[in-house]
Amino acid sequence: GQQVMQIPQYQHVQEGEDFTTYCNSSTTLSNIQWYKQRPGGHPVFLIQLVKSGEVKKQKRLTFQFGEAKKNSSLHITATQTTDVGTYFCAGRGMDSNYQLIWGAGTKLIIKP
Amino acid sequence: NAGVTQTPKFRVLKTGQSMTLLCAQDMNHEYMYWYRQDPGMGLRLIHYSVGEGTTAKGEVPDGYNVSRLKKQNFLLGLESAAPSQTSVYFCASSYSSRGISYEQYFGPGTRLTVT
Repeated sequence: GQQVMQIPQYQHVQEGEDFTTYCNSSTTLSNIQWYKQRPGGHPVFLIQLVKSGEVKKQKRLTFQFGEAKKNSSLHITATQTTDVGTYFCAGRGMDSNYQLIWGAGTKLIIKP
Repeated sequence: NAGVTQTPKFRVLKTGQSMTLLCAQDMNHEYMYWYRQDPGMGLRLIHYSVGEGTTAKGEVPDGYNVSRLKKQNFLLGLESAAPSQTSVYFCASSYSSRGISYEQYFGPGTRLTVT
């Protein structure tokens, strides 16, 4: 079946360092969404990428969708304590209008 | 505008007991979803609904049943709870246009423990 692999599972950074998480799909996606889940909270939608090679920015967050629409990344510049949480990618397959295929998430941990 | 609400927030069941989780949304969304989230794992889709009166199986449907009698409500039932169903359950809904669903809005979750 369709799978979305997300790495790394955890990333420990010092505050001010950068953070990146990567997603790779086994099949071509129609679009990919990114969500953030704070500790003890629920997933919250961040952004959706639709076009091949698309790059979108939200302040210190940069989202990319690969040319083949099979991979995506989220890069956070100069992390802050408010960035702590787990970041999930979720892709929609070409043959589905409803279901998302979720990555396992990358947990961003700020070192004390 | 409450968004997506879930009841209860916490529940402890004994093996073999049954229960129903209620999800309600006030955004007039057509699509609704039930997920479970286990430690270190992403979200796994249990069942979903593309409209009132319709439901479909997701990735991990065994042991669960659902109903969508009203557009704003989506119920998840456990007929005979098992320890393997200990998890956090999230309900979500999404807007749709021309048959395509958009970003999902999540409820706060229900933490279920089965002993």
